[in-house]
Amino acid sequence: GAVVSQHPSWVICKSGTSVKIECRSLDFQATTMFWYRQFPKQSLMLMATSNEGSKATYEQGVEKDKFLINHASLTLSTLTVTSAHPEDSSFYICSANDRGRSTGELFFGEGSRLTVL
Amino acid sequence: AQRVTQPEKLLSVFKGAPVELKCNYSYSGSPELFWYVQYSRQRLQLLLRHISRESIKGFTADLNKGETSFHLKKPFAQEEDSAMYYCALSGRGYQKVTFGTGTKLQVIP
Repeated sequence: GAVVSQHPSWVICKSGTSVKIECRSLDFQATTMFWYRQFPKQSLMLMATSNEGSKATYEQGVEKDKFLINHASLTLSTLTVTSAHPEDSSFYICSANDRGRSTGELFFGEGSRLTVL
Repeated sequence: AQRVTQPEKLLSVFKGAPVELKCNYSYSGSPELFWYVQYSRQRLQLLLRHISRESIKGFTADLNKGETSFHLKKPFAQEEDSAMYYCALSGRGYQKVTFGTGTKLQVIP
């Protein structure tokens, strides 16, 4: 149980277009979902914390107009990279905690690799 | 502010040797500490939590509040332990989880 699925797993787009990445909790309800960015051979960088039904909380230095996060339901959060540029190319990962557990464990998606040409 | 420091980017040990992955934290309240692991081409997954005081795959970690540390240890490294290890900290309610920069463990056969 407690599976998080991201879609798409990889995407290539042209510079200037927008890309949406979905993060779904398949068998549990997630009160909070987190979005990260991971550069090659580097750590996770927390971008934002997303709570169902409310605005996302962005980390310092992350442009909220550039990275739009929507958490419309307890099982779905989306990250939209608007007007993507080559420097936005990265590996984006989401995680979620299970509303039904109080362990604090995060369940991670498999990640989405974005390449902007 | 909460902060997690993993001083080593890479740790190479021989198979059968002891392993210690260091993690220090900064947090004003009572922290919850975790170790996550990412094996090659797999997603991140929880390895262990300080609150459960368990041993997973031979790994243990003790929370030392005096030294604000949560080092991960294993007495005898195995090749399958080679992976990226992340220390993470959360406050009560788990609203924000902060990850360290990660340590790559390389076990040499």
